[in-house]
Amino acid sequence: DADVTQTPRNRITKTGKRIMLECSQTKGHDRMYWYRQDPGLGLRLIYYSFDVKDINKGEISDGYSVSRQAQAKFSLSLESAIPNQTALYFCATSDRFWGQAGSEQFFGPGTRLTVL
Amino acid sequence: GENVEQHPSTLSVQEGDSAVIKCTYSDSASNYFPWYKQELGKGPQLIIDIRSNVGEKKDQRIAVTLNKTAKHFSLHITETQPEDSAVYFCAASPRPTKLSFGAGTTVTVRA
Repeated sequence: DADVTQTPRNRITKTGKRIMLECSQTKGHDRMYWYRQDPGLGLRLIYYSFDVKDINKGEISDGYSVSRQAQAKFSLSLESAIPNQTALYFCATSDRFWGQAGSEQFFGPGTRLTVL
Repeated sequence: GENVEQHPSTLSVQEGDSAVIKCTYSDSASNYFPWYKQELGKGPQLIIDIRSNVGEKKDQRIAVTLNKTAKHFSLHITETQPEDSAVYFCAASPRPTKLSFGAGTTVTVRA
């Protein structure tokens, strides 16, 4: 079974709708992240959480919110979806800060979101 | 904040040839530089990383070099194979809570 899972894998929605993307992990990592991938822009960090009681904004958090329900679960919400939020969304986990030995991020398979 | 530029955006190489991807960064405090490979339909996966106290690191057919003075680092893939076809991302970390990615390079290995 995959260590980091995302649901749904694909979603088409309409402008103004609320949508939630879910991420679960079985790696036992404290740190979880949500990224957005757009062609030509690479991966941009939306939100991150270093433990259950910790939530931090990334570089592009406007229009998004998150919830860390448990160590293993981190959800991303779009309160009122708009077309320019059409993108590929990735959840990731790690067990230490970047730069420390072994600081690899483990990515889920992604959720392709289309907002019409 | 840290700005990472990656070139080229696309790269096509003949099987068996070498591929080189270059990245530059802006924040001189950056001290950790990972490279991720993303295969079609999958999430990125770490393939190699380097820290600022090392100038070069090699793992089988892939190697990374770092020039801190010029603030650039490069990924070298030798003897390319079809399974090397993917999108490659460089990244730089100026502090433990920050990691900035480049825009990605799509590598195609021609048989």
